[in-house]
Amino acid sequence: QLQLQESGPGLVKPSETLSLTCTVSGGSINSNNYYWGWIRQPPGKGLEWIGNIDYSGHSFNNPSLTSRVTISVDTSKDQFSLKLRSVSAADTAVYYCARRHQVVIDYWGRGTLVTVSS
Amino acid sequence: SYDLTQPPSVSVSPGQTASITCSGDKLGDKSACWYQQKPGQSPVVVIYQSTERPSGIPERFSGSNSGNTATLTISGTQPMDEADYYCQAWDRYTGVVFGGGTKLTVL
Repeated sequence: QLQLQESGPGLVKPSETLSLTCTVSGGSINSNNYYWGWIRQPPGKGLEWIGNIDYSGHSFNNPSLTSRVTISVDTSKDQFSLKLRSVSAADTAVYYCARRHQVVIDYWGRGTLVTVSS
Repeated sequence: SYDLTQPPSVSVSPGQTASITCSGDKLGDKSACWYQQKPGQSPVVVIYQSTERPSGIPERFSGSNSGNTATLTISGTQPMDEADYYCQAWDRYTGVVFGGGTKLTVL
């Protein structure tokens, strides 16, 4: 059974960079059938797609966030990562890593809360 | 950008049919997915490719998609179906797009 697990700091200061890593187990990132990505959910609000990447490193980000987002992949470790620059309180959210197959997002991590505060 | 619109809330009595709509420009030409999210949990896909149900999802969940509207229908709604539901599609310019979510109350 495929599992995804987010890791990274739960507290980030305003204007700094949020960095998270997703570790995939029970399967390999190294497949051309899937996209690996990040989705966030501010407390009490809806889901927002951040972006995704494939095993070869091709990424596609939400146009509203792309200027601040970098998603990278390390197939040797079955990991992919998110960097979100210049964060503010509006970036406080539960961050999920997930797998997308064509349109559907079929596997999700459990999510990790990141709070932006000084 | 491509937008999907859902009603903020829907109420249904136990055993009745709940319908949750999702509207977007020519959404019927796209593949729509529906996710169920219960408090404190990650979303779970209940419908993909507009009408397909993943294994393990009860038969009372069904989907349709035509014109500008996709619909999630829950027949014989049970108290355990109370949750937030999100529609989702893919747009070649915007990427993954989610609707704003619908809170389903079973009372």
